[in-house]
Amino acid sequence: GQNIDQPTEMTATEGAIVQINCTYQTSGFNGLFWYQQHAGEAPTFLSYNVLDGLEEKGRFSSFLSRSKGYSYLLLKELQMKDSASYLCAVRNTGGFKTIFGAGTRLFVKA
Amino acid sequence: GAGVSQSPSNKVTEKGKDVELRCDPISGHTALYWYRQSLGQGLEFLIYFQGNSAPDKSGLPSDRFSAERTGGSVSTLTIQRTQQEDSAVYLCASSRTVYEQYFGPGTRLTVT
Repeated sequence: GQNIDQPTEMTATEGAIVQINCTYQTSGFNGLFWYQQHAGEAPTFLSYNVLDGLEEKGRFSSFLSRSKGYSYLLLKELQMKDSASYLCAVRNTGGFKTIFGAGTRLFVKA
Repeated sequence: GAGVSQSPSNKVTEKGKDVELRCDPISGHTALYWYRQSLGQGLEFLIYFQGNSAPDKSGLPSDRFSAERTGGSVSTLTIQRTQQEDSAVYLCASSRTVYEQYFGPGTRLTVT
């Protein structure tokens, strides 16, 4: 079977750091993605990891451990506009099929 | 350049009717995906097309759902004999590589 788990909701304070975890069990692995989705809008791409380690892009970083089936998205210097859902997704081997988790709703408070 | 477009943006239909949802991908993108998202939920994979290869239909929930992609560009998702549980936002995405997918604004389908 295929399963991607993320916390349902998280709350953090403006200016702080938050880590959103994702664990996955899939029939194949060919990369892990993080997408941001604001309410009522389409998802937008944040990051892609295919090798173990940390990928940093501005205030956002994403980490992958393939042996543990684990990833996290790290958001630094939180801003109110970061309030959104964050979707973890895994691409299967052999093609473009991508399985998404249910998403983590992040609330940033002043 | 132009992004992924979808039409209609909203569709209200009666239970039992057929609906067609359209997606225009970004020009040059060989891969096209359909997902659906119920309120407050994640994305549910439905189908994807990659170039001239046979589509991966493994996510279609029933035989009432079908999709085609004509000329390697525009795609239509058809739902026959709609049911209330089909109500959701249907998202289309396209990509040129194995990296990020670019999503359209979605079609909100409401079955009454």
